[in-house]
Parts: sequence; structure tokens; C-alpha cells
Amino acid sequence: AQSVTQPDIHITVSEGASLELRCNYSYGATPYLFWYVQSPGQGLQLLLKYFSGDTLVQGIKGFEAEFKRSQSSFNLRKPSVHWSDAAEYFCAVRYNFNKFYFGSGTKLNVKP
Amino acid sequence: ETGVTQTPRHLVMGMTNKKSLKCEQHLGHNAMYWYKQSAKKPLELMFVYSLEERVENNSVPSRFSPECPNSSHLFLHLHTLQPEDSALYLCASSQDRANTEAFFGQGTRLTVV
Repeated sequence: AQSVTQPDIHITVSEGASLELRCNYSYGATPYLFWYVQSPGQGLQLLLKYFSGDTLVQGIKGFEAEFKRSQSSFNLRKPSVHWSDAAEYFCAVRYNFNKFYFGSGTKLNVKP
Repeated sequence: ETGVTQTPRHLVMGMTNKKSLKCEQHLGHNAMYWYKQSAKKPLELMFVYSLEERVENNSVPSRFSPECPNSSHLFLHLHTLQPEDSALYLCASSQDRANTEAFFGQGTRLTVV
């Protein structure tokens, strides 16, 4: 069955430190991949997406993600984390026309 | 302005009440979704509408009844809910093509008492 795994439930980083959030997917064909961010009590905001082409994609707020087919991964990175990045991050996969499936999320805490 | 608007933002209802959640999108999309987000659980896809036809119903209890009168509006009718139905209900929309993203509303926080 298709699935999305985010192995880290909680991550704490210091402000200014680098960040990597992991995402692995299980799907036979090349999926369409997304990262979303959610602040408490809010909806999900798209950070970036991968459909095809260059495997390193840039998003908003200084985030980037790299698609690695051999590892079935789409990890999210940021070189220097800001306190305002504290939120929950969701990796998502779209397959078939109308199915978006989400990982269980990673909560990011930023230490001053 | 997200482009996807959900009302109300907060709702408290008794187990015998009937209420409805509303979602409206101003993005010209032709697919709309309801998701349930409970604490410590992944987002659960509940219903999908494409071109106003329901194309997905993920074994959702009949006490949840969706309605999509046109491509811009989506409702979730609620009746005789249980306390475990308390959650954040998120609406999303997208184009009916594989290589597009979903846009989300801010959600309705539902509490069943």
C-alpha cells in the first residue's frame, strides 16, 4: 500500500542551526511530492513541491527539499532556522488524480 | 487570504445536534476535499469531490454527510456525533490534475460535548 513516513515526531534545534526533516514514501511510480507547514490551529500552507526535473527544489521561507528516487525520500532542509519556523511539518504524496496522502507530521521546536 | 475559506472556525455541539461545516474556494479549482485532523494522528482523508461528483469516501461513518452543490462550495453535514469526532476539520481544493497542489482552508475546530 502507498504510504508516507516521517520518522521524527519531534525535533528541537537551536536558532541559527541547520535543519533536515525526513520523509520517505512508498509508491510504485514517480509520485508528486509536497511539503506543507502548519501553525497551531491553522490550515496547511504549501512550502514546496516536486513534480519532475531538477531533484533539488526551492520553496518559500528559505526551505529546500531533495528528491532521491533510489532512497524513496524527499527530505526538507533549511540552512539556518529562525524562531518563527517552529511549527508542524507534513510531507505529502499525490497519486491518482485525487488522492493526497500525508505523513504523520514532525513538530519542530526552536530553542533561542 | 488563503483562497479557501471555512466557516465556522470553531463549533461546539451536543451529540444530538445537527450542524454543518462550510467550505468555499475562490481559486477556480474543480476538486475539493474534507480531511479530519485529530491529535496524534495523521490527516485522514474523508471525502473527495471532483467536478461535483463524489469520487472518494474513505469508510466515513454516515453521521458525516458531505454535499457539493457546485465546484466552489463544499459542505459537511453533521448529526448525532460522538465525542471522538472532536477534531480539526480541514477543507482543501485543487485542480483535477495530478501535477498540482492542494490548497487548504484554516479549518473548523469541532468539539462534541
